[in-house]
Amino acid sequence: NAGVTQTPKFRILKIGQSMTLQCAQDMNHNYMYWYRQDPGMGLRLIHYSVGAGITDQGEVPNGYNVSRSTTEDFPLRLLSAAPSQTSVYFCASSPGRFESAKNIQYFGAGTRLSVL
Amino acid sequence: SQQGEEDPQALSIQEGENATMNCSYKTSINNLQWYRQNSGRGLVHLILIRSNEREKHSGRLRVTLDTSKKSSSLLITASRAADTASYFCATTSVISQGGKLIFGQGTELSVKP
Repeated sequence: NAGVTQTPKFRILKIGQSMTLQCAQDMNHNYMYWYRQDPGMGLRLIHYSVGAGITDQGEVPNGYNVSRSTTEDFPLRLLSAAPSQTSVYFCASSPGRFESAKNIQYFGAGTRLSVL
Repeated sequence: SQQGEEDPQALSIQEGENATMNCSYKTSINNLQWYRQNSGRGLVHLILIRSNEREKHSGRLRVTLDTSKKSSSLLITASRAADTASYFCATTSVISQGGKLIFGQGTELSVKP
């Protein structure tokens, strides 16, 4: 059981380049999330999805797009990389339904992105 | 921002000592969770406490929740060098949709052998 898999692990981009961060989960979870982690800022939610075909914005969505065509995959696209997007990005998934213990989130290992 | 706050930001103790980390939050919650993050890795869920619970135990972990003060604490007893990590609290607001969590900024724990 692989859990949540993120690729790539590291990436260096030039300003203005675009890229897609991949995230896949094999736990049949309905809910998926993208976070960025910056020193002193904790984790901030970028976008999330409650099921295939449904996405919504989180706290810091600007400069990022997502789509959810399948239950398993939730890619994050950087449209035009900026130095402010230098960060560590985490994908997470959850069975869903916050009113029970099912909103426990399972995290991938992260993608470390530098924009130069 | 509706992020919670954690205290202390960093904590250094000797192996065998107890470690206590505190978390405060701003909104009414359904539950509060604690996660651990080892250096360079993703977060791992440790324990969840519901808003109608006051204390919960899991192995060497003890979590308390005081909803009147909007605060929680995580106690790790008899710490080990392997407990060295960052610890984050995360809350689910009663008005949250999509199971969203609001994370605190974390406490960096260092346990010296």
